[in-house]
Amino acid sequence: DTGVSQNPRHKITKRGQNVTFRCDPISEHNRLYWYRQTLGQGPEFLTYFQNEAQLEKSRLLSDRFSAERPKGSFSTLEIQRTEQGDSAMYLCASSPDSSYNEQFFGPGTRLTVL
Amino acid sequence: DQQVKQNSPSLSVQEGRISILNCDYTNSMFDYFLWYKKYPAEGPTFLISISSIKDKNEDGRFTVFLNKSAKHLSLHIVPSQPGDSAVYFCAPRRGGGSEKLVFGKGTKLTVNP
Repeated sequence: DTGVSQNPRHKITKRGQNVTFRCDPISEHNRLYWYRQTLGQGPEFLTYFQNEAQLEKSRLLSDRFSAERPKGSFSTLEIQRTEQGDSAMYLCASSPDSSYNEQFFGPGTRLTVL
Repeated sequence: DQQVKQNSPSLSVQEGRISILNCDYTNSMFDYFLWYKKYPAEGPTFLISISSIKDKNEDGRFTVFLNKSAKHLSLHIVPSQPGDSAVYFCAPRRGGGSEKLVFGKGTKLTVNP
């Protein structure tokens, strides 16, 4: 399977715990994105990497959120001290490096904070 | 501040007829417009796109029209098929060097056999 993969697919945690999600983009895609989707809304942009450089961050990405892409391949998104409002679907996407290109999304990680 | 509006939360059409999904936006900096469809428990799947310098793009049964002066775009699906039943999102790119996509809330399309 050459699509974007995300792990885990589901995560249930208690408020105050830390969680980490992983995204493996399509190979040779230089660009990687994280979005968050809550019920009844469209995906909301969180952050964007070109190779290992984090080039854009949304105001939604509070101090409790951190994303990395250390070797320009896979990426991790960590949420510290989770809150119930963090419950959402976290989507990862990747795209090749060109002016006009679509972002290919993974299946997402559904986070539930109890 | 909702920059992208899909004012119809749902749309129901008969198989074989045309489906028209609409999207309005406010930000004139948007430079590239994408449509995604999403099935339950899956990530969004790219469908079709259009550059801001064009007014129409066609791919098989799918055509996207862009009216920049009205800040409006629409997706036409002809003929509609039951497998097209999904949530459709309009997602312009922010532009100005940003790669951020700004999604609308989506329109749930149901195609009845």
